[in-house]
Amino acid sequence: EVQLVESGGGLVQPGGSLRLSCAASGFTFSSFWMSWVRQAPGKGLEWVASIKEDGSDKYYVDSVKGPFTISRDNAKNSLYLQMNSLRVEDTAVYYCAREPAAEGTFDYWGQGTLVTVSS
Amino acid sequence: DIQMTQSPSSLSASVGDRVTITCRASQSIRSYLNWYQQKPGQAPKLLIFAASSLQSGVPSRFSGSGSGTDFTLIISSLQPEDFATYYCQQSYRSPWTFGQGTKVEIK
Repeated sequence: EVQLVESGGGLVQPGGSLRLSCAASGFTFSSFWMSWVRQAPGKGLEWVASIKEDGSDKYYVDSVKGPFTISRDNAKNSLYLQMNSLRVEDTAVYYCAREPAAEGTFDYWGQGTLVTVSS
Repeated sequence: DIQMTQSPSSLSASVGDRVTITCRASQSIRSYLNWYQQKPGQAPKLLIFAASSLQSGVPSRFSGSGSGTDFTLIISSLQPEDFATYYCQQSYRSPWTFGQGTKVEIK
């Protein structure tokens, strides 16, 4: 059974940093693109970033280019999102999602981790 | 970026009703269109990919159609567990973008 479990969310002040993690199991992690998708409270879904199977290619939505970095450790079956220079508008539930073949389709999602940026 | 617009934003329906949700893309996305279901407090779940292909394990009362710019999600006979918010999403060109969602509520 495919499982994705996010962690690392919490309350952070504007300008602060946070690192999210996603632990994957139930599939061959190193064979899949992986992504982060976020959802602000009461709002819709927004794709944030994707990373290739071997980590050699990464893509970001324009609004997070620079401050956010996606990475992975295939030996640990883990996906990460380093978020720097956080802004109030980055407040959201962040979901880890599997993205087969870089097709922009998200077939499995984690339960999400809440990031709150507030002073 | 490709903009996705869903209609309606919300609807009320009864168990057994046929429900239709539409999604329009700001430019042609061929058949690169996915539908997700999200229940309160839960992660989204993939229902349909490539406009009309049913994801494994999804009930056959869900169906999708369309190509180019106009797409439709149909629930043929609404069940109690189908009350949720539905999102369309284009997978034609990055950045991958979602519609604003359609909330299906109980009448």
